[in-house]
Amino acid sequence: AQSVTQLGSHVSVSEGALVLLRCNYSSSVPPYLFWYVQYPNQGLQLLLKYTSAATLVKGINGFEAEFKKSETSFHLTKPSAHMSDAAEYFCAVSDRSTDKLIFGTGTRLQVFP
Amino acid sequence: EAGVAQSPRYKIIEKRQSVAFWCNPISGHATLYWYQQILGQGPKLLIQFQNNGVVDDSQLPKDRFSAERLKGVDSTLKIQPAKLEDSAVYLCASSLVPPGGPRNEQFFGPGTRLTVL
Repeated sequence: AQSVTQLGSHVSVSEGALVLLRCNYSSSVPPYLFWYVQYPNQGLQLLLKYTSAATLVKGINGFEAEFKKSETSFHLTKPSAHMSDAAEYFCAVSDRSTDKLIFGTGTRLQVFP
Repeated sequence: EAGVAQSPRYKIIEKRQSVAFWCNPISGHATLYWYQQILGQGPKLLIQFQNNGVVDDSQLPKDRFSAERLKGVDSTLKIQPAKLEDSAVYLCASSLVPPGGPRNEQFFGPGTRLTVL
C-alpha cells in the first residue's frame, strides 16, 4: 500500500532562512507525488507535483522539490522564507491508475521575523 | 473562475444528531471528492464521484455516512447519527478529468468544520 511520511510535525525558521520540509514515500511502483499548502481556515492549494518528467519540480511561491528514487524522498525547499509562508504543508502520493491521494500527517511551518 | 463552494463553514451538533454538508464543484469538473480531515492528520478520502456515479467509497463508514451527487454537479454528504469521533473538517474537491486520465489537479473548497458534542 502507498504511504507518505512527513518527518517533523513542526518546523520553525527565521525570515530569509532556508525552508526544508521532509517527505518520504512508500510505493511499489513509481508514484505521482504532490505538495499542498493549507492556510488557516482554508482548503488545500497545490504547490507542485511530480509526474515522472523532470526530477526537480518548481512550484508556486518560490518552492521546489526534488524526486530522489534512491532515497524514496520528495523534500520541499525554498531558499528564503517569507512570513507569508507560515502554513500547514502536506505531502501526498497517488498511483498512476487513479486520482486517489494519500496524504501525510502534515508539517506546520512557522516563520519568525 | 469561481472555486469550489462549501456550506456551511461551521456546524456544531450533539452526538446522535444528523448533519448534512453541501458542495458545489468548479463548473465543468467531472470528478468530485469528499475528504475527512481530523485535527492533526492529513485529509482522508471518503468518497469519489465521477459525474453522478461512485468511483471509490471504500473508506466511507456506510452505516452512518451517505453521499450523493445528483445530476453530476452538486453533492451532499450526510452523517446520521453523528458520533464524537466525527468531529473534523470535511473538505470537498473537484478535478477536471476522469480518474486514470492525465494527472490533473484537485481543487479544494474551504471545508466545513464539524464539532460533535
